[in-house]
Amino acid sequence: ETGVTQSPTHLIKTRGQQVTLRCSSQSGHNTVSWYQQALGQGPQFIFQYYREEENGRGNFPPRFSGLQFPNYSSELNVNALELDDSALYLCASSLSLAAYNEQFFGPGTRLTVL
Amino acid sequence: KNEVEQSPQNLTAQEGEFITINCSYSVGISALHWLQQHPGGGIVSLFMLSSGKKKHGRLIATINIQEKHSSLHITASHPRDSAVYICAVGPLNTGNQFYFGTGTSLRVIP
Repeated sequence: ETGVTQSPTHLIKTRGQQVTLRCSSQSGHNTVSWYQQALGQGPQFIFQYYREEENGRGNFPPRFSGLQFPNYSSELNVNALELDDSALYLCASSLSLAAYNEQFFGPGTRLTVL
Repeated sequence: KNEVEQSPQNLTAQEGEFITINCSYSVGISALHWLQQHPGGGIVSLFMLSSGKKKHGRLIATINIQEKHSSLHITASHPRDSAVYICAVGPLNTGNQFYFGTGTSLRVIP
């Protein structure tokens, strides 16, 4: 139990639709990172938010966007869903941007795009 | 090209065996994390290393910064150790925007 929650647990969408995934970080954690994990692969960094501002972005198109709110919750939005977007989406919160801080992962949202 | 390589990809061991999982990386880093992922997706952080060696129970993690290599050892392995073990590195000047290995799937047989 990491104290990080994600919703929904599972989601099925069709190609072209839009989806919003939610993450609730540990209280006091001002940094949240989102990752995409395809089956059999390691997580891939999507983007990171620090104090409600985007702090860095991986190799993902602009149709992947996010928000972080003052209450330590955050969202990942994906527009114009493609079949390849099917994956486990993980959020992880940490106390700060420093690499030595432990990352606390949520249980993930499994997205299936048909 | 993956900045983080893990070996082996899959590992089956008898209960009680000593297990080693290796991680090599190609970038300068400020920290390396070992993570454990159980079926269903939940990820738990095991260790953070920036130098040397750390031990927690039956788990030992080492890192050689010059050689860009880390190892995770499990002594007296147990079926409950069955999981995917993932190495993640924090490249210099990127804070905690990590690169991840593809993971090592460990199965410990009673």
